[in-house]
Amino acid sequence: GAVVSQHPSRVICKSGTSVKIECRSLDFQATTMFWYRQFPKQSLMLMATSNEGSKATYEQGVEKDKFLINHASLTLSTLTVTSAHPEDSSFYICSASRAGGARGYTFGSGTRLTVV
Amino acid sequence: RKEVEQDPGPFNVPEGATVAFNCTYSNSASQSFFWYRQDCRKEPKLLMSVYSSGNEDGRFTAQLNRASQYISLLIRDSKLSDSATYLCVVNPNTGNQFYFGTGTSLTVIP
Repeated sequence: GAVVSQHPSRVICKSGTSVKIECRSLDFQATTMFWYRQFPKQSLMLMATSNEGSKATYEQGVEKDKFLINHASLTLSTLTVTSAHPEDSSFYICSASRAGGARGYTFGSGTRLTVV
Repeated sequence: RKEVEQDPGPFNVPEGATVAFNCTYSNSASQSFFWYRQDCRKEPKLLMSVYSSGNEDGRFTAQLNRASQYISLLIRDSKLSDSATYLCVVNPNTGNQFYFGTGTSLTVIP
């Protein structure tokens, strides 16, 4: 089945630094990937849609200059949290759909970011 | 109004019980529906798609009611391993964006 790999699984960084999270589709090509954020006891919230070879589409309220998304190939999308602050601490998850909307998503294993 | 709404629970049921979750969606034109399972501090995993005619997978039954705009998940003969958060997911068919419910927490008690 479709496999999405996300790295790192856990990261702790100092306030003001930047963190890059990678999301790879291992056995399929994903022209579109999605980045979600999940705070404790809350639902997944879509942050942005990452499109291969073009600019990402950000959801309302998500700062594009703070959350940089690069989707340079059909199998890799990266999310960089720039100048991280403690309030950015969250669970970040990427996902991709192998066959459009018909079969749902495959999610990466998530990245737990803690900013201290 | 939220795109997808779920009762967050928690549902605490004894082993062997039958439990049902409902989820309502706001966009009547929605085309694809899913139930995902999320274990604590893990990523969501697809449990089952929901088809118009209803579908069953072992102890799990999913149903869609388009007239009332809700989907349901029924779990029979609950196992301890069923303890998780169950997420209702809807694709309104306006692109690839999916909308997630807040999830319903289930704990199966020995």
